[in-house]
Amino acid sequence: QVQLVESGGGVVQPGRSLTLSCAASGFTFTSFGMHWVRQAPGKGLEWVAVIWYDGSKKCYADSVKGRFTISRDISKNTLYLQMNSLRAEDTAVYYCARAESGNDLNYWGQGTLVTVSS
Amino acid sequence: QTVVTQEPSFSVSPGGTVTLTCGLSSGSVSTSYYPSWYQQTPGQAPRTLIYSTNTRSSGVPDRFSGSILENKAALTITGAQADDESDYYCVLYMGSGIWVFGGGTKLTVL
Repeated sequence: QVQLVESGGGVVQPGRSLTLSCAASGFTFTSFGMHWVRQAPGKGLEWVAVIWYDGSKKCYADSVKGRFTISRDISKNTLYLQMNSLRAEDTAVYYCARAESGNDLNYWGQGTLVTVSS
Repeated sequence: QTVVTQEPSFSVSPGGTVTLTCGLSSGSVSTSYYPSWYQQTPGQAPRTLIYSTNTRSSGVPDRFSGSILENKAALTITGAQADDESDYYCVLYMGSGIWVFGGGTKLTVL
């Protein structure tokens, strides 16, 4: 069965960096696009970034463009989100999600909490 | 910037039918936006109900259905149950590798 397990969250000071990981199993990692989605405390879901199934394209929400980088290691079946220049408004639970038929999000991980605070 | 709109709240009686919608601040939603729907209870990860307009995710009962109604994506729940009380989110693919979530609908079953 499809499993996505995020890790790497924690408390970080404003302006610092943090890298999240999402370990994938139960499917062929190179056949599906992968997303990061976040949810600030008490707020709704916000799409953050996507990497195409073949790694050929990466796209970002305007709110993180230029600061966050999505990547993957196919030898480890792991998705990453490198987050630089973190701000208080980046505080959220970060979920990784797998696409299904291309332009949708289907399977979700349980999330990892990032708190940006001094 | 285009905003994805959802009803902030909705209520339904147990056993009743409710239709939640997902629209655009400018323009109409079509299947080309690949609308998807998610259910979320407090402290839990989202659960996919519907993807690509009307495909139920694995294990989702058939009382959840997706469609396009009057230029909006729609999620219909028939035979509402107490444990359907949740937040419901839609997401639309805007093209050019960008997805946008709606603000969510808080559904009350009473």
